Amino acid sequence: SQTIHQWPATLVQPVGSPLSLECTVEGTSNPNLYWYRQAAGRGLQLLFYSVGIGQISSEVPQNLSASRPQDRQFILSSKKLLLSDSGFYLCAWSVQRNSPLHFGNGTRLTVT
Amino acid sequence: KQEVTQIPAALSVPEGENLVLNCSFTDSAIYNLQWFRQDPGKGLTSLLLIQSSQREQTSGRLNASLDKSSGRSTLYIAASQPGDSATYLCAGSGAGSYQLTFGKGTKLSVIP
Repeated sequence: SQTIHQWPATLVQPVGSPLSLECTVEGTSNPNLYWYRQAAGRGLQLLFYSVGIGQISSEVPQNLSASRPQDRQFILSSKKLLLSDSGFYLCAWSVQRNSPLHFGNGTRLTVT
Repeated sequence: KQEVTQIPAALSVPEGENLVLNCSFTDSAIYNLQWFRQDPGKGLTSLLLIQSSQREQTSGRLNASLDKSSGRSTLYIAASQPGDSATYLCAGSGAGSYQLTFGKGTKLSVIP
């Protein structure tokens, strides 16, 4: 069966510090991978998606970036965090575009 | 651009009652619609996915319907249980897009 791992579960970082969140999927090959952010009082916002190694599409311009160094690994990064980057970050995968979306347990990021 | 609305934001029902959660969307050219469940502090769990060519999907006590002409989807939960308490989110995608547009969810409380 397929599983998705996302870490860390919680993170507190000062403004201006770097960020690296990692997500891996097991039990499937060439999945579509996604990073979402869920802010308080707002719906989920798609940040990045990837349909293959090295292929990254950005939906929202900001100081975050994403990379996919391996088939089942997706990384969300920032060089300098802002207060507004605080939120709940969720990694997700799907077999194809019209397949169910499966989420990890998320990372609660607080920028202080 | 697809917009998804879920009303009410919160709903409380006694155990054993049948209930309907509502989801409306603005773009009738919807590619698929998905329903998710989110427990506090956790990621989302996929419940049902309805393709644009389908009218409904069923899984156990859950039944989801899709009416593209009216821009509405419903999630029917039969014989509700306290374990059904969670936030339920719907999300729709447009043709040619990898982006799912999420509603803000309906927080369901099933009272024993």
